[in-house]
Amino acid sequence: DAGVIQSPRHEVTEMGQEVTLRCKPISGHDYLFWYRQTMMRGLELLIYFNNNVPIDDSGMPEDRFSAKMPNASFSTLKIQPSEPRDSAVYFCASSFSGLAGGYEQYFGPGTRLTVT
Amino acid sequence: RKEVEQDPGPFNVPEGATVAFNCTYSNSASQSFFWYRQDCRKEPKLLMSVYSSGNEDGRFTAQLNRASQYISLLIRDSKLSDSATYLCVTGYSTLTFGKGTMLLVSP
Repeated sequence: DAGVIQSPRHEVTEMGQEVTLRCKPISGHDYLFWYRQTMMRGLELLIYFNNNVPIDDSGMPEDRFSAKMPNASFSTLKIQPSEPRDSAVYFCASSFSGLAGGYEQYFGPGTRLTVT
Repeated sequence: RKEVEQDPGPFNVPEGATVAFNCTYSNSASQSFFWYRQDCRKEPKLLMSVYSSGNEDGRFTAQLNRASQYISLLIRDSKLSDSATYLCVTGYSTLTFGKGTMLLVSP
């Protein structure tokens, strides 16, 4: 299996620009999660989807952040306009609810975002 | 109170040593428990699930105490390759990650 795929791996942009991060979950997984990781705050859940439907976006910092999942194999996280404080590593993860014992999540390699 | 609390470390141990990490969690409704490992500048990867009966995977042993809301990870015969940050994780359909405990194994 290919695992969770994210692109780009690195993104450097100027403040005010739009940034779009992309994720392809593991085939057959029905949950998709977007996280942000910084040294100060650790790993924070931004939003998650179940069967392509957004379930909880309470972790999204503000209206500048939006996420979509148009189909089971693709999701985007968009920041518009970007600010320097958005600099972080953004991870996408997916899981399958059919596993007994709990919903282990599998992470993509992350997108390292730097906003100057 | 943080939902999942861990000692950030670092824990510096020599090769071959036994080291133990602990964490506490605040959500008594949590039903799934895991340890994840994260290498520098990499994504978190599942190390092992944690069950109330305790479970072992090679040199790694995990324990869960639901009454005390406490999870532990024991690593025996530490290897250089065990150097990483270990994340304590609880939840169910959504997971809450601790900030991690850093382990440095030296020759």
